[in-house]
Amino acid sequence: QSALSQPRSVSGSPGQSVTISCTGTSSDVGGYNSVSWYQQHPGKAPKLMIYDVSKRPSGVPDRFSGSKSGNTASLTISGLQAEDETDYYCCSYAGSYTWVFGGGTKLTVL
Amino acid sequence: QVQLVESGGGVVQPGGSLRLSCAASGFTFSSCGMHWVRQAPGKGLEWMAFIPFDGTNKYYADSVKGRFTISRDTSKNTLYLQMNSLRTEDTAIYYCAKDLHGHYSFDIWGQGTMATVSS
Repeated sequence: QSALSQPRSVSGSPGQSVTISCTGTSSDVGGYNSVSWYQQHPGKAPKLMIYDVSKRPSGVPDRFSGSKSGNTASLTISGLQAEDETDYYCCSYAGSYTWVFGGGTKLTVL
Repeated sequence: QVQLVESGGGVVQPGGSLRLSCAASGFTFSSCGMHWVRQAPGKGLEWMAFIPFDGTNKYYADSVKGRFTISRDTSKNTLYLQMNSLRTEDTAIYYCAKDLHGHYSFDIWGQGTMATVSS
């Protein structure tokens, strides 16, 4: 149950796009189409932004999109806004009813 | 509205025990799998445990297997986490989260409760 690998930080200017990667193994990210992404503002609970690799829950702006290739999943945020500046975590189902999170990425909007 | 409210956190000495609770409302608790996820101070999220809607089986992260027990009381719409043999590294905010059935993700989260293990 090793944590998925995410960049510690990414940055972009308002209106631009950024992509956050999430690298695992064939036992988690690569083995299931069950990657989810969570946004967490300081002092707040995480919020589901993407599930099943690329699906958005109701209410999540379509500026947020997800994809996967092999053992790496990605979250892309287009049209960056100031309120997008916070922490993002990926998570993957890892089989046998266990899950593994990434270490988290801090997004800075310049 | 759909809500999860955790309680039971506090300060405990190493080797001690704590029982966390998570009160659910606004959805059919008896039909939903539930999880516990924790976050050490300044660190990332770590999945801890899962219990299906019927509570028949329970699943744990290796780091807490044999020390923590997840359970549920459908009559009280409440999820529990019994934490025994606590270690300093168990210090964290503990969140309960609702399973998005069939999609292996967590769609509703509580606000968290802080457990501190310190002598």
